[in-house]
Amino acid sequence: AQKITQTQPGMFVQEKEAVTLDCTYDTSDPSYGLFWYKQPSSGEMIFLIYQGSYDQQNATEGRYSLNFQKARKSANLVISASQLGDSAMYFCAMREPDFGNEKLTFGTGTRLTIIP
Amino acid sequence: DAGVIQSPRHEVTEMGQEVTLRCKPISGHNSLFWYRQTMMRGLELLIYFNNNVPIDDSGMPEDRFSAKMPNASFSTLKIQPSEPRDSAVYFCASSFSGQNSPLHFGNGTRLTVT
Repeated sequence: AQKITQTQPGMFVQEKEAVTLDCTYDTSDPSYGLFWYKQPSSGEMIFLIYQGSYDQQNATEGRYSLNFQKARKSANLVISASQLGDSAMYFCAMREPDFGNEKLTFGTGTRLTIIP
Repeated sequence: DAGVIQSPRHEVTEMGQEVTLRCKPISGHNSLFWYRQTMMRGLELLIYFNNNVPIDDSGMPEDRFSAKMPNASFSTLKIQPSEPRDSAVYFCASSFSGQNSPLHFGNGTRLTVT
């Protein structure tokens, strides 16, 4: 079974609109971390936001927020007031303490295109 | 602060040649990861070190791939002999231990094997 599932291979959004990128995860561990990364066309991987499994509130970082629904095992990224520079690949990832193996497992990504 | 430094940025080599990719993690980070990114397979973890010790190498494709971390500030990923199917972007990343610590990625090495 996939640990991280991103069901939207591509999305087109009008500039200045909000956008939600979907992510569901699968784990039986009560303690885990969820991350979102941005990969622009230049190729670098940029860390955006983190949500811990025990965090009571949804994480926010500037225009980025994470809609964390633990019972549904979803961690959707919300980008408010989208900008042309938001066009990129976005990856959801999970890190869990699997007997000391704390590797980060990535989803397949969503390609976001902002339309002027 | 300097981020994760990878070299070279680009490598073009012929099939059968040895390739060595290098990585300098962020000072103080005790976990280091090598990932490979391709269109077909996405981001795959090749190997993960913690405190210079390999913890998970289940993603290393085969015996042609090897990775070392002789000290806390340096790691190498070697492919010998290289094959065209090894063409990909190879990322090195580092972090502190703990599931709340984000990975910080280098800019990657784009490897082309002809």
